[in-house]
Amino acid sequence: ETGVTQTPRHLVMGMTNKKSLKCEQHLGHNAMYWYKQSAKKPLELMFVYNFKEQTENNSVPSRFSPECPNSSHLFLHLHTLQPEDSALYLCASSQSSGAVSTQYFGPGTRLLVL
Amino acid sequence: AQKVTQAQTEISVVEKEDVTLDCVYETRDTTYYLFWYKQPPSGELVFLIRRNSFDEQNEISGRYSWNFQKSTSSFNFTITASQVVDSAVYFCALITISSGSARQLTFGSGTQLTVLP
Repeated sequence: ETGVTQTPRHLVMGMTNKKSLKCEQHLGHNAMYWYKQSAKKPLELMFVYNFKEQTENNSVPSRFSPECPNSSHLFLHLHTLQPEDSALYLCASSQSSGAVSTQYFGPGTRLLVL
Repeated sequence: AQKVTQAQTEISVVEKEDVTLDCVYETRDTTYYLFWYKQPPSGELVFLIRRNSFDEQNEISGRYSWNFQKSTSSFNFTITASQVVDSAVYFCALITISSGSARQLTFGSGTQLTVLP
């Protein structure tokens, strides 16, 4: 079941570009997450939104700017990124971030920063 | 603080062999949940199982089985009669329940499983 979709699936951008990643969940969940997956590193949680309110920001640089207009949509706005930001960016959703509920992931956006 | 260790970085087996993926966790909390996810080459993490700390019963789902042992803080995953389609990276993850905790998933570094035809 593909309840979480992400677009684009692949993105190449220069360091001066501005782009946005989009995530949409069709599961009726209230919490959404952004993760970064770099080669040879564990998944890193970036942001958590619960009922559209940001509840976690794990010391993410300001060149990453999340936006959650409603419980079904989550964006990650990117600007002036660095080559080390190249990674797979995964979105996930769960019933709530307060309770322990299973997170379901999207297919990710593979980002390459030149 | 919690930690998940998947000591096996890569495993290769021949189709139809059984394979066990190890997962060892660390936490001081008495209430916690353990998860396994599969990540095929397409990138999406696929949820496989969730187990809470009070339920030590082993679970079997088709060719998949999980062995949860609190005494050794392990939650190992066995694939019986492996198939090529099982080739993926498998992640073990932990989330704990404690007051003030952010309820964040802590992932292991993953095990790359390759099943050869």
